[in-house]
Amino acid sequence: AQKVTQAQTEISVVEKEDVTLDCVYETRDTTYYLFWYKQPPSGELVFLIRRNSFDEQNEISGRYSWNFQKSTSSFNFTITASQVVDSAVYFCALSDNTGGFKTIFGAGTRLFVKA
Amino acid sequence: EAQVTQNPRYLITVTGKKLTVTCSQNMNHEYMSWYRQDPGLGLRQIYYSMNVEVTDKGDVPEGYKVSRKEKRNFPLILESPSPNQTSLYFCASSLHPGTSGYEQYFGPGTRLTVT
Repeated sequence: AQKVTQAQTEISVVEKEDVTLDCVYETRDTTYYLFWYKQPPSGELVFLIRRNSFDEQNEISGRYSWNFQKSTSSFNFTITASQVVDSAVYFCALSDNTGGFKTIFGAGTRLFVKA
Repeated sequence: EAQVTQNPRYLITVTGKKLTVTCSQNMNHEYMSWYRQDPGLGLRQIYYSMNVEVTDKGDVPEGYKVSRKEKRNFPLILESPSPNQTSLYFCASSLHPGTSGYEQYFGPGTRLTVT
């Protein structure tokens, strides 16, 4: 069965600190997709990144980086030099071939960045 | 402007009174989906559709219906709403899973209260 676990419910950091948000997933499929979304206090959901199961390359986009490790079924998200504008709820999600690409979201991690 | 629209944005209704939340996208996306967001539970998929006339149950389909008669529209129907369906609802769309554009774009959300 599919499952996404974001064990960190809330994280609080001071501006300029680095912070890593954990995501652990479960799937029996060999073809699957992992996502991160951001939900700022305004409520909209913003796509950040997609990773395919056959592409384990890590990715960096500005202050954001993602570490995908199939061996540990993890897809962690790091924000370097955090800023107040990074305060949001971050969701990790999984979509796989089982049942036709149903999407499962984790419960989310609420990040507070204090000035 | 590429977007997913939902209407209404806010709705207060009473138990048992049928309602429909509309969702429309202008990006010619094949994949459309409905989610509900509840505190501590993240987003849970209600129904999704891979294309016109093709719909599948997500994790929490009970009490909901959907239809996909046109590619751009994916309405969510609550035939007999109950208080446990009070939630924040999001519609989303994307290109077909497996394509490079498989990333979901979300509507602004519909906050539904059932009394």
